[in-house]
Amino acid sequence: DADVTQTPRNRITKTGKRIMLECSQTKGHDRMYWYRQDPGLGLRLIYYSFDVKDINKGEISDGYSVSRQAQAKFSLSLESAIPNQTALYFCATSDRTGGYGYTFGSGTRLTVV
Amino acid sequence: GENVEQHPSTLSVQEGDSAVIKCTYSDSASNYFPWYKQELGKRPQLIIDIRSNVGEKKDQRIAVTLNKTAKHFSLHITETQPEDSAVYFCAANPDSSYKLIFGSGTRLLVRP
Repeated sequence: DADVTQTPRNRITKTGKRIMLECSQTKGHDRMYWYRQDPGLGLRLIYYSFDVKDINKGEISDGYSVSRQAQAKFSLSLESAIPNQTALYFCATSDRTGGYGYTFGSGTRLTVV
Repeated sequence: GENVEQHPSTLSVQEGDSAVIKCTYSDSASNYFPWYKQELGKRPQLIIDIRSNVGEKKDQRIAVTLNKTAKHFSLHITETQPEDSAVYFCAANPDSSYKLIFGSGTRLLVRP
C-alpha cells in the first residue's frame, strides 16, 4: 500500500549534535509537511513544501531546516540539537487532487540529552 | 496567524453516552476543518472533515457542525464505545491554504 515512511522511528542524540529526520512517500502527493507533537500542545507546523522548489516556514521553524530532495522525499534537520527539541515528529503529505486531507507518517520519537 | 483553540483537554464519558469536543478558529478565511483521531502510539488519522459551505456532516456515529459566524466547530460522537478512546485533534486551514493549524488535542476516555 502507498504510504508515508519516516526514519528513524526512535533516536536519542546529544545536545549540540546535528541530526536529520527523513520522510519518504509512495503516495505520489506533491505537498509535504513536518510537525512536532508535544503533550498538551498538539501538533505544531515546522516547515512545509508544496512542490520540489517550494519551502515555507511554519509556526516554529527556529532551530530547524528542511530539504526537499525530490517530490517523494522531505528531510528535517536539527543543526545543533537542544533538549527542548525532544518531541514526537510527524511528516505528513497531501495532494492537490485529493483536497486538503493529510496522510501522516508513523512518527519519529526524538530525545535530546 | 491562525489560532485554533480546542476544549476540553480531557473528557471522560460512560460507554453509550455522547461526547462533544469544541474548537474555535481566528482566521475568517479558513474554509476546511478536519478532525483527526490518534490512538496510543499511532499516527493521527482523519475521521471526518467539513468545508465552509456546509453546516453539518455526519458519518455513522460521528458528526461535525460548523458555525462560520461564530468561528467555531464541534465534533459529536454518539453511543460511545471503548474503542473511541483516543486523542482527538481539530484543525483549520489559514488563508484557505493547504497547510493545517491544529488545536491542542482532547484526550477522550470511554469508561466501560
